[in-house]
Amino acid sequence: QKEVEQNSGPLSVPEGAIASLNCTYSDRVSQSFFWYRQYSGKSPELIMSIYSNGDKEDGRFTAQLNKASQYVSLLIRDSQPSDSATYLCAVNTPGFQKLVFGTGTRLLVSP
Amino acid sequence: DTEVTQTPKHLVMGMTNKKSLKCEQHMGHRAMYWYKQKAKKPPELMFVYSYEKLSINESVPSRFSPECPNSSLLNLHLHALQPEDSALYLCASSQDRGDRELFFGEGSRLTVL
Repeated sequence: QKEVEQNSGPLSVPEGAIASLNCTYSDRVSQSFFWYRQYSGKSPELIMSIYSNGDKEDGRFTAQLNKASQYVSLLIRDSQPSDSATYLCAVNTPGFQKLVFGTGTRLLVSP
Repeated sequence: DTEVTQTPKHLVMGMTNKKSLKCEQHMGHRAMYWYKQKAKKPPELMFVYSYEKLSINESVPSRFSPECPNSSLLNLHLHALQPEDSALYLCASSQDRGDRELFFGEGSRLTVL
């Protein structure tokens, strides 16, 4: 079982819709969770971090964490074509000295 | 504007060349990282420096040699690379090693001929 799993996509949504990106992780003691956005040919950009169960909202982005289910998600409301990118989920686990990245989900938002 | 600056943005080198990638951050962060990323793959950690000391080497071949001259600068010296080393090399920084909110530079695209 991979440590951090994401559906590679592409996830296609029409402009204005809600995009829902999902991530599961294997280590129950994981404590910190991050979403990075990466445009093609560019570097990853941190867009959300979440540390406790529940929802965290920042503008059009909402991160959701459920530690019991070992599940973290990212919702993008009112999706725009400029949101088309690969979204990387990353998890930090005590004892591991590095972030573990998922393979990323490619999001395509069509006008 | 990114606060982690990498140079050069593109580099083409032969297998016998020696070159260096450079990274500078202006955020007062005390941890700096080198990652390697191949197409359609996630970033892969290579090295971590914490307070200017090497704290993690992810079993990277010795043809890659990191250097941290001071808390703002990070170099990656390249020598006798192979074509399979062609990739996007990303520098990142964080407040300290325990803080996993990483800020990435724009990357250096390396092609080894």
